[in-house]
Amino acid sequence: AQSVTQLGSHVSVSEGALVLLRCNYSSSVPPYLFWYVQYPNQGLQLLLKYTSAATLVKGINGFEAEFKKSETSFHLTKPSAHMSDAAEYFCAVTPGTGFQKLVFGTGTRLLVSP
Amino acid sequence: GAVVSQHPSRVICKSGTSVKIECRSLDFQATTMFWYRQFPKQSLMLMATSNEGSKATYEQGVEKDKFLINHASLTLSTLTVTSAHPEDSSFYICSRATGSGEQYFGPGTRLTVT
Repeated sequence: AQSVTQLGSHVSVSEGALVLLRCNYSSSVPPYLFWYVQYPNQGLQLLLKYTSAATLVKGINGFEAEFKKSETSFHLTKPSAHMSDAAEYFCAVTPGTGFQKLVFGTGTRLLVSP
Repeated sequence: GAVVSQHPSRVICKSGTSVKIECRSLDFQATTMFWYRQFPKQSLMLMATSNEGSKATYEQGVEKDKFLINHASLTLSTLTVTSAHPEDSSFYICSRATGSGEQYFGPGTRLTVT
């Protein structure tokens, strides 16, 4: 069975500050991990993915995440927050390739203040 | 550009009526698509896996007779909410599976049952 835990339902940062959104996973097999972003009343957009290649993954909009097996973590970071980053972020896990289910975390709402 | 579309984006219906939501894969043939529902300020809950040419696989607790899924072609899956009630009001999102683990999501459909 697989699961993800996102610590912090809300994270507040100032514009220009570091963004850190936490995700820990549990998986009985080597996982594939994803971060998605959701803007109000919209679907989800893929930010980045880890698929067992490089442990540091770069995504769109300046985001990156590092896979740490020893810590079972896949935290999302961005060096400098922008107002347009305010959204809901979801971490998700799947057991690998193929047409398999994604298991989502509960989400973290990022608030960016001027 | 978008690779998955949904129609309609918003629908309001009266209690007891049925509503059909369409999910189209725009860029690729999709043998597997997924249907989710999302309540306000919550994560996505997988409802069912839609398989082209065969019956959908429903998650535990999802009423298959209430949420009818048809995947009659490689580009179209439909979700019909039958005899809708106010508690069925939600945001419904579909996704297209890829062979490499991630999913591409549609923009969602807001269903309001009055």
